[in-house]
Amino acid sequence: SQKIEQNSEALNIQEGKTATLTCNYTNYSPAYLQWYRQDPGRGPVFLLLIRENEKEKRKERLKVTFDTTLKQSLFHITASQPADSATYLCALGGRDDKIIFGKGTRLHILP
Amino acid sequence: NAGVTQTPKFQVLKTGQSMTLQCAQDMNHNSMYWYRQDPGMGLRLIYYSASEGTTDKGEVPNGYNVSRLNKREFSLRLESAAPSQTSVYFCASRRLEGDFSYNEQFFGPGTRLTVL
Repeated sequence: SQKIEQNSEALNIQEGKTATLTCNYTNYSPAYLQWYRQDPGRGPVFLLLIRENEKEKRKERLKVTFDTTLKQSLFHITASQPADSATYLCALGGRDDKIIFGKGTRLHILP
Repeated sequence: NAGVTQTPKFQVLKTGQSMTLQCAQDMNHNSMYWYRQDPGMGLRLIYYSASEGTTDKGEVPNGYNVSRLNKREFSLRLESAAPSQTSVYFCASRRLEGDFSYNEQFFGPGTRLTVL
């Protein structure tokens, strides 16, 4: 069955450093991959989307890479700030309108 | 625009009771989704609707039914609630583009359901 793994449940990063989150998947050939942010008590909010034929996408301090050979996506937040502390979700989508989510990584940016 | 709205925000049920979770979106989106989120399990898809009049099962459909009432509204019904259905339920929607959608999902604020 399809499986998505996000590298760790929680990650502590010092303010100002780059936070890198990992998303690995198996038994799936996604057409695209998305990253969402979720704050406690709220619904997820979309951040970035990358398609299967794209290697890298950037948006302000965010960067996503997508390696379909390794079946892996990396999500980077540069110059991290305490306000970046949240849970980050990786999601894969295909051509059938379904999206599958990973369990998420809780990111803590330490001041 | 209100985006995606869900009612109620909180609900406590006794085992065996039934209830309907309501979801509406005002963005003219084609697709709508119901997820549940449990600690350590992430978001799991219950049902989705690619367009008005169609619904499909997701990963965890057992114990639930859905209705796509019109383009705006997608409801989730628990006919006989069980403690295992204690969870946070999220509704989401997105716009379809072409043969399939690359677009992001917009989520509602969630319904926190406890079944005793």
